[in-house]
Amino acid sequence: KAGVTQTPRYLIKTRGQQVTLSCSPISGHRSVSWYQQTPGQGLQFLFEYFSETQRNKGNFPGRFSGRQFSNSRSEMNVSTLELGDSALYLCASSPTGDFYEQYFGPGTRLTVT
Amino acid sequence: LAKTTQPISMDSYEGQEVNITCSHNNIATNDYITWYQQFPSQGPRFIIQGYKTKVTNEVASLFIPADRKSSTLSLPRVSLSDTAVYYCLVGPPGAGSYQLTFGKGTKLSVIP
Repeated sequence: KAGVTQTPRYLIKTRGQQVTLSCSPISGHRSVSWYQQTPGQGLQFLFEYFSETQRNKGNFPGRFSGRQFSNSRSEMNVSTLELGDSALYLCASSPTGDFYEQYFGPGTRLTVT
Repeated sequence: LAKTTQPISMDSYEGQEVNITCSHNNIATNDYITWYQQFPSQGPRFIIQGYKTKVTNEVASLFIPADRKSSTLSLPRVSLSDTAVYYCLVGPPGAGSYQLTFGKGTKLSVIP
């Protein structure tokens, strides 16, 4: 089975711009979760989608949003970028959504200047 | 998930066995112990999970004493490609992805 893919892998944006990141889960996985990883804060949960519905949301401002399509592919959007949004954004898919059954993609490295 | 404590970093020479210990004093009865591995600029990868005694797979072994307040991840005969950050997580099987948080983990550096 193909693994989780994320596009783009690297992105450089300017403060105030918006960005959309894409994630294609493992075939058959209905749960897609997004995480932000930074050296200072570690891995932090953004949100989870299961069968096109947002099932859980982390403690991030409303500038962070996401969606899931009927084929389970997911996108996350960050509007009005801030310097502090620079991070590795990871997508993980799972058949169940359980914390120990997360299959991570390679991530998108976002740099905000 | 339960609070865990593990060393920030470890160094090892190639070919040696590496043991990384994780403390989880407040582990609950139905909690499992799970380890993830993360290579630089890649997403974390599940490597092993256990409840008690010993679990072994093709990548590592996990040793859990009877009181379950700690666990040890053992990597046999490490190579340079084992250089990564290792995260210990403790939680029940039904815990959702929203509870998945990684701290600093243990950064393992394998020296030639």
